[in-house]
Amino acid sequence: ETGVTQSPTHLIKTRGQQVTLRCSSQSGHNTVSWYQQALGQGPQFIFQYYREEENGRGNFPPRFSGLQFPNYSSELNVNALELDDSALYLCASSTGGRADTQYFGPGTRLTVL
Amino acid sequence: AQSVSQHNHHVILSEAASLELGCNYSYGGTVNLFWYVQYPGQHLQLLLKYFSGDPLVKGIKGFEAEFIKSKFSFNLRKPSVQWSDTAEYFCAGVFKAAGNKLTFGGGTRVLVKP
Repeated sequence: ETGVTQSPTHLIKTRGQQVTLRCSSQSGHNTVSWYQQALGQGPQFIFQYYREEENGRGNFPPRFSGLQFPNYSSELNVNALELDDSALYLCASSTGGRADTQYFGPGTRLTVL
Repeated sequence: AQSVSQHNHHVILSEAASLELGCNYSYGGTVNLFWYVQYPGQHLQLLLKYFSGDPLVKGIKGFEAEFIKSKFSFNLRKPSVQWSDTAEYFCAGVFKAAGNKLTFGGGTRVLVKP
């Protein structure tokens, strides 16, 4: 069974640029959730995708957007990067039920200069 | 709004000491609760979870947690820690009114001295 994978591992961007982060879900999972973990804080929910549709969104501006593909992999796109976007971005996959466990990938460390 | 809070930001203890980490949530409805652990350089891993039934939940590596509904708490315990338990621990909840998203506490960094 393949776990959740994310790419790239690290990324450095400058303010105003755009970035795309990628996530491959665990085998058999159809739901992907994205979280932002700032230094010294717990992860914050960005949004969730279930069968290619957005299925819930946290308090993040529209410049945070996403996609889910037919194979259930997912992308997180962030436009007009700001310094405060520097964080660890985590992807988690699950089978979609509320009473379900989310399994996390290793994360992508984004630094915005 | 629903929230999860963890009482201690940092805990330092010696091997063989007992560990208890506090977690409280703010929500009056149905909740599923989790403890995740992040070892240095590794990704978040599930320690244990509570959905329903027996409020005393046993997880991996000798950890357990007790759900006390009247106190809105889900504290994590381990009777005797090892150096390898050095990690950051996160309590999280899924609240019925909020869909399937995990709401995390701020985390507790635990350092076990050999």
